Amino acid sequence: QVQLQESGPGLVKPSETLSLTCTVSGVSISSYYWSWIRQPPGKGLEWIAYIYNSESTNYNPSLKSRVTISVDTSKSQFSLKLKSATAADTALYYCARGCSDFDYWGQGTLVTVSS
Amino acid sequence: EIVLTQSPATLSLSPGERATLSCRASQSVSSYLAWYQQKPGQAPRLLIYDASNRATGIPARFSGSGSGTDFTLTISSLEPEDFAVYYCHQRSNWPYNFGQGTKLEIK
Repeated sequence: QVQLQESGPGLVKPSETLSLTCTVSGVSISSYYWSWIRQPPGKGLEWIAYIYNSESTNYNPSLKSRVTISVDTSKSQFSLKLKSATAADTALYYCARGCSDFDYWGQGTLVTVSS
Repeated sequence: EIVLTQSPATLSLSPGERATLSCRASQSVSSYLAWYQQKPGQAPRLLIYDASNRATGIPARFSGSGSGTDFTLTISSLEPEDFAVYYCHQRSNWPYNFGQGTKLEIK
């Protein structure tokens, strides 16, 4: 079955780069869109970015200047980099399948931005 | 940017009752609206896509309706496992975004 697993540091210092990886199993990563979505503690969902096979990417305009999404098909992984992190970037970060209508999600990884 | 406003913020009902959740868009999203359920400590789960289509494995007690700017998620008879937070999400206009959520709690 389709499974997604986020990984990366749980603590990032302010002004540093937040880096996360999502490992996909059970399906060809090349055949679908993949997204990152985040949820600050106790708050709602915010879509960050999506990627399709390195050919197509799109970013939330509110984060576009700081975010890069990439995919490594050989490892069946896609990644997120968010530079110049601040406390406002503290959130549960999810990876999910799709650019909308997200039908499979990882369990989420909490990233805290703090010194 | 389209704003999705969900109401009510909190809905208190008992098992067996009917739940009606609303999502209103600041401009038309056609039928490009989805609903998600999120339980504490879990990732969101896709319930409804394109306003009225149930996702795979979703029970028939969940139904979606609406088009344009006004949408409704209905749970015909609440089961104990249905108490959660529900989000709507539009994919009509960029950037795709979510509503702020409705918490469905046990009365």
